[in-house]
Amino acid sequence: DAKTTQPNSMESNEEEPVHLPCNHSTISGTDYIHWYRQLPSQGPEYVIHGLTSNVNNRMASLAIAEDRKSSTLILHRATLRDAAVYYCILMKTSYDKVIFGPGTSLSVIP
Amino acid sequence: DTGVSQDPRHKITKRGQNVTFRCDPISEHNRLYWYRQTLGQGPEFLTYFQNEAQLEKSRLLSDRFSAERPKGSFSTLEIQRTEQGDSAMYLCASRQTGANSPLHFGNGTRLTVT
Repeated sequence: DAKTTQPNSMESNEEEPVHLPCNHSTISGTDYIHWYRQLPSQGPEYVIHGLTSNVNNRMASLAIAEDRKSSTLILHRATLRDAAVYYCILMKTSYDKVIFGPGTSLSVIP
Repeated sequence: DTGVSQDPRHKITKRGQNVTFRCDPISEHNRLYWYRQTLGQGPEFLTYFQNEAQLEKSRLLSDRFSAERPKGSFSTLEIQRTEQGDSAMYLCASRQTGANSPLHFGNGTRLTVT
């Protein structure tokens, strides 16, 4: 199973940028990197995904290392609503069992 | 696109009873997944379908669990002879084929076994 490693928890001050790291050293050449977040009592919500190049959308930015063995989800200005558990997963083209780790619990301090 | 819907949102049952949950995926999505989640843990993979075919079932899943997707649309997850350890949030997700396609989750069914 494709495995990712994330810190258990992180803290950020409100309105400051947050960089959430993810290691995926066993990534294959065609695996996509996906990020999801989960608010309390809700299902996970898609945030962003990428293959090789950095990606931006209205929610966040995804920075992918040149060797693709790590990535960073960037929230440009953390708000209290960004307090959630963030999951980094690998989506494979050849095998579709999608595995989640424990994720990173982000706390945002007012 | 009305999103993935799950029914019921909450279920309380007594140990030994059978329960069935329903998931309605996004209509054009051919992949459907079931996950189980307990407090403080990430979603744990249970099984997934491509259209009506069940392609994989977790080895952690006992024979008391069964899932169907009879016409490649909605899916049901049944737990027979429930145990207290089955208490968890059961999540359904769907997506289109391809690693470029994101998962879309429902808000889950919270099962409590007393």
